Amino acid sequence: GAVVSQHPSWVICKSGTSVKIECRSLDFQATTMFWYRQFPKQSLMLMATSNEGSKATYEQGVEKDKFLINHASLTLSTLTVTSAHPEDSSFYICSADTSGLAGVVVSYNEQFFGPGTRLTVL
Amino acid sequence: DQQVKQNSPSLSVQEGRISILNCDYTNSMFDYFLWYKKYPAEGPTFLISISSIKDKNEDGRFTVFLNKSAKHLSLHIVPSQPGDSAVYFCAASAGISNFGNEKLTFGTGTRLTIIP
Repeated sequence: GAVVSQHPSWVICKSGTSVKIECRSLDFQATTMFWYRQFPKQSLMLMATSNEGSKATYEQGVEKDKFLINHASLTLSTLTVTSAHPEDSSFYICSADTSGLAGVVVSYNEQFFGPGTRLTVL
Repeated sequence: DQQVKQNSPSLSVQEGRISILNCDYTNSMFDYFLWYKKYPAEGPTFLISISSIKDKNEDGRFTVFLNKSAKHLSLHIVPSQPGDSAVYFCAASAGISNFGNEKLTFGTGTRLTIIP
């Protein structure tokens, strides 16, 4: 099946620094990737939808200047947490869908999730 | 506003018996529903899905039932096995976005423990 990787798997950083998380689709091309965060014992909350070659679409309440998303290629999306603070500590998960090239409307496509990145901000 | 709800945070079931996980939703625009299984410190793994035009979908030991009028779906696992112990999330999507993909709204999850 399709494999999605994330790097790093965990990171500890000081308050005020920036952290970059990579999400890669290893054996398929993903025009769209999604970024989620999960607090302990809570649901996965969608942060933003990342589309290759265009600006990301952020969910309400998510600061786009704080959570920078770049989808530079069909296999790579990055999430940069800028000026991280302890309240940004969370489990960040990306997913990639198997839809075809942009502009081709298809029926629902399965999303494949990465293993997640545990961010701890001291 | 939690549009997808899983009211049971945990469930314990004897091995070999049936596990029933429940999920309710409020958004009538949702037309596709999925169940994911998640182990600690890992991403969710897709289990089974159902379109709103169906009321049942079966895949091996997993069956999902959808009751649109009640805005309720359930996941049945039978027989339950120790390896089924995990957190189960239901998720829903509403229509197709401009790029041919759908955003998922997740429930809060139910931790299933299978007792040997």
